[in-house]
Amino acid sequence: EAGVAQSPRYKIIEKRQSVAFWCNPISGHATLYWYQQILGQGPKLLIQFQNNGVVDDSQLPKDRFSAERLKGVDSTLKIQPAKLEDSAVYLCASSPGHGGTGELFFGEGSRLTVL
Amino acid sequence: KNQVEQSPQSLIILEGKNCTLQCNYTVSPFSNLRWYKQDTGRGPVSLTIMTFSENTKSNGRYTATLDADTKQSSLHITASQLSDSASYICVVRGNYGQNFVFGPGTRLSVLP
Repeated sequence: EAGVAQSPRYKIIEKRQSVAFWCNPISGHATLYWYQQILGQGPKLLIQFQNNGVVDDSQLPKDRFSAERLKGVDSTLKIQPAKLEDSAVYLCASSPGHGGTGELFFGEGSRLTVL
Repeated sequence: KNQVEQSPQSLIILEGKNCTLQCNYTVSPFSNLRWYKQDTGRGPVSLTIMTFSENTKSNGRYTATLDADTKQSSLHITASQLSDSASYICVVRGNYGQNFVFGPGTRLSVLP
């Protein structure tokens, strides 16, 4: 079974530029999460999708971050314009459903460096 | 406020030694607790998941314990190997489909 796929693995941009990250969850997983992980910290939830609907985006900086999950499968996370403090690893995770043990499966992450 | 704290922040041990990592949480009501291992530059990978009724669960050289009364968990690593060098993250989920609350992680370095 293929895992959660993310791209690109690494991205370096200058502040005020834009960037987009892509995630393909495990086939059949209804729930998709985007997390931001700053070096030395645990992941912080940015947005949660259930199929193609948003369940929780309360911690998403909506003035610069946007995310979509068209057709309830792949998802993209965009940052525009980027700030220095956006330098982090962006992790995508998927889960089979909303309830139960809700095991989280993570991708390898996309490391963003903003100069 | 739902929080997860982990200690120590970092730990250095020699290969072959044992170690124990701690996790304290305030998430309530509680559904389950997981320990994840995150190698440098990789995504977290699940080691164990424990529900309210479970006290101990093992996965090879990793043994997790849970005391739901005191809201504490520990991860014990036996006969450490160089490949155990990683961050270990404690994640707690509340009931009713609440989101996951992540701890800051413990950075473990195993030296030869």
